[in-house]
Amino acid sequence: DIQMTQSPSSLSASLGDRVTITCRASQNIDNFLSWYQQKPGKAPKLLIYAASSLQSGVPSRFSGSGSGTDFTLTISSLQPEDLATYYCQQSYNTPRTFGQGTKVEIK
Amino acid sequence: QVQLQESGPGLVKPSETLSLTCTVSGGSISGYYWSWIRQPPGKGLEWIGYIYYSGSTNYNPSLKSRLTISVDRSKNQFSLKLTSVTAADTAVYYCARMVYGDYKGSFDNWGQGTLVTVSS
Repeated sequence: DIQMTQSPSSLSASLGDRVTITCRASQNIDNFLSWYQQKPGKAPKLLIYAASSLQSGVPSRFSGSGSGTDFTLTISSLQPEDLATYYCQQSYNTPRTFGQGTKVEIK
Repeated sequence: QVQLQESGPGLVKPSETLSLTCTVSGGSISGYYWSWIRQPPGKGLEWIGYIYYSGSTNYNPSLKSRLTISVDRSKNQFSLKLTSVTAADTAVYYCARMVYGDYKGSFDNWGQGTLVTVSS
């Protein structure tokens, strides 16, 4: 199985801050990497697909980058509604695997 | 916009079979892959398996011996059956659409999720 490791596991940032979450795959996954946002009590929502493509309707403050084994999700200016847990997920092969999640809190 | 809705019992006894159905509305089940994903309370996401609209399947090896995913195109539904459940199978179960092409296998639409508790 491909292991997906996110860091940090949690972070606290101020409104307007730039926030960066990293995701590392245990082997090369090209750009078969997605990012999801999960708000408390809700289903995950697709933010980024193919490592860097923004899903329709997602605010442009979200961006993704990376290829191979190292990936990054960036929130350029943190907003109150960004309080959530963020997950990366590989679709390079099966079983599909997710990172353990990064909980984003507002200071 | 396609919508997915999970349905099924919220409580299952240990050693029995967990059965859930996902109903797809606002679009056809044809042409896509459909997946089940679960999340134990307070924990992360675990992929269970997927089915293509034609019926071909791919299961997580950790669950494969107990798992069946099926599709009913006439009802625009797909289903999950997990046998011999234990407390470790207690989770919120999500159904989701998986899209290839430019989306590289992302899960672009999710149901709201349904909590299934395994307890006597």
